[in-house]
Amino acid sequence: DIQMTQSPSTLSASVGDRVTITCRASQSISSWLAWYQQKPGKAPKLLIYKASSLESEVPSRFSGSGSGTEFTLTISSLQPDDFATYYCQQYSTYSPLTFGGGTKVEIK
Amino acid sequence: QLQLQESGPGLVKPSETLSLTCTVSGGSISSSSDYWGWIRQPPGKGLEWIGSIYSSGSTYYNPSLQSRVTISVDTSKNQFSLKLSSVTAADTAVYYCARHRSVGPTGWHLDLWGRGTLVTVSS
Repeated sequence: DIQMTQSPSTLSASVGDRVTITCRASQSISSWLAWYQQKPGKAPKLLIYKASSLESEVPSRFSGSGSGTEFTLTISSLQPDDFATYYCQQYSTYSPLTFGGGTKVEIK
Repeated sequence: QLQLQESGPGLVKPSETLSLTCTVSGGSISSSSDYWGWIRQPPGKGLEWIGSIYSSGSTYYNPSLQSRVTISVDTSKNQFSLKLSSVTAADTAVYYCARHRSVGPTGWHLDLWGRGTLVTVSS
């Protein structure tokens, strides 16, 4: 299985900050990476697919980059609605899909 | 607007079989090249992919669960289902169904999710 490692596991930031979350794959996954946002008690929401493609209706302050084994999710100016947990997911193979362990973005 | 909704018992006894159904509304489960599948999340923990199915019945399973998992589809009801046998407390989780969307020759990202349903394994 391809292992996905996110860092940091927790991040404290203020409204307006630029925030970057990193996801590393245990082997090359080309650009087959997605990012999700999850709020407490809610299902994950797709933000980014194919490493850098913004899902419809997702604010443009979210962006993704990277290829191969290293990827980043950037929030250009953190908004109150962005405090949540973020997960990466690789899909370079049909099975199994694997997720990173999550990064919780907290209010500083 | 396509929506997914999980249903099934919230409490299952150890060693028994967990059974859940996902009903797709607002569109046909057969109308595209998408797969449909299940993901779970133990309380306070991360996400684990369980498996997926196409409208034809073609399936993919997580090897870690493959011996216990069956995913099936009923296109006439626009539903797909999950069965997980021989459950233990470690299978206690929120179970989500999700649309698996392909944009290339590999796997899928998950663009539409149900709200999730908590299944507790306890006697």
